[in-house]
Amino acid sequence: EAGVAQSPRYKIIEKRQSVAFWCNPISGHATLYWYQQILGQGPKLLIQFQNNGVVDDSQLPKDRFSAERLKGVDSTLKIQPAKLEDSAVYLCASSPRRQSFFEQYFGPGTRLTVT
Amino acid sequence: SQQGEEDPQALSIQEGENATMNCSYKTSINNLQWYRQNSGRGLVHLILIRSNEREKHSGRLRVTLDTSKKSSSLLITASRAADTASYFCATDAAYGGATNKLIFGTGTLLAVQP
Repeated sequence: EAGVAQSPRYKIIEKRQSVAFWCNPISGHATLYWYQQILGQGPKLLIQFQNNGVVDDSQLPKDRFSAERLKGVDSTLKIQPAKLEDSAVYLCASSPRRQSFFEQYFGPGTRLTVT
Repeated sequence: SQQGEEDPQALSIQEGENATMNCSYKTSINNLQWYRQNSGRGLVHLILIRSNEREKHSGRLRVTLDTSKKSSSLLITASRAADTASYFCATDAAYGGATNKLIFGTGTLLAVQP
């Protein structure tokens, strides 16, 4: 089966600019996650969707980050305006259901560099 | 915040040797998962152990879980150069029901020398 797709793979922007990332989860997966992974650290959950509803966005910096999941399939994550500390890899993951005991399938990530 | 912390932060071994990495966490959990991350294949799920399990095997992987000590270990036997990667433990904390909200640790960087 096709894996989780993300684009772009790399992005370089200047601070205060805006950027958007796209994710297409595995077909049929109801739950979608966005993670931020800063170099040398483990991934940190930003937002979790169940179908097209937000389950958890407690760690999303809502003053600059926004995310949506249209029709419960694809998702976009936007940063506006970007700061230097937003430089990281942004990972999208999906799982069949929200309930525990299901592994998460990760996409290749988008490496963002803010200069 | 990071729930789990892996130990050691970095590990270098020779091909054929065993590699052991440990994970400690802070709160009660529903399950603990181990993931591997390398530049070629991204972040990949390795194994999941439930809170009522003590040991689990998958191929060359052996995972143990001690909920009384809030710790887990991952053993890779007969390591190969292809096992070179960062390994993360991730916990699904037992709050508000089982949510599959994973909190990742800081990772162990494993280098297997040919």
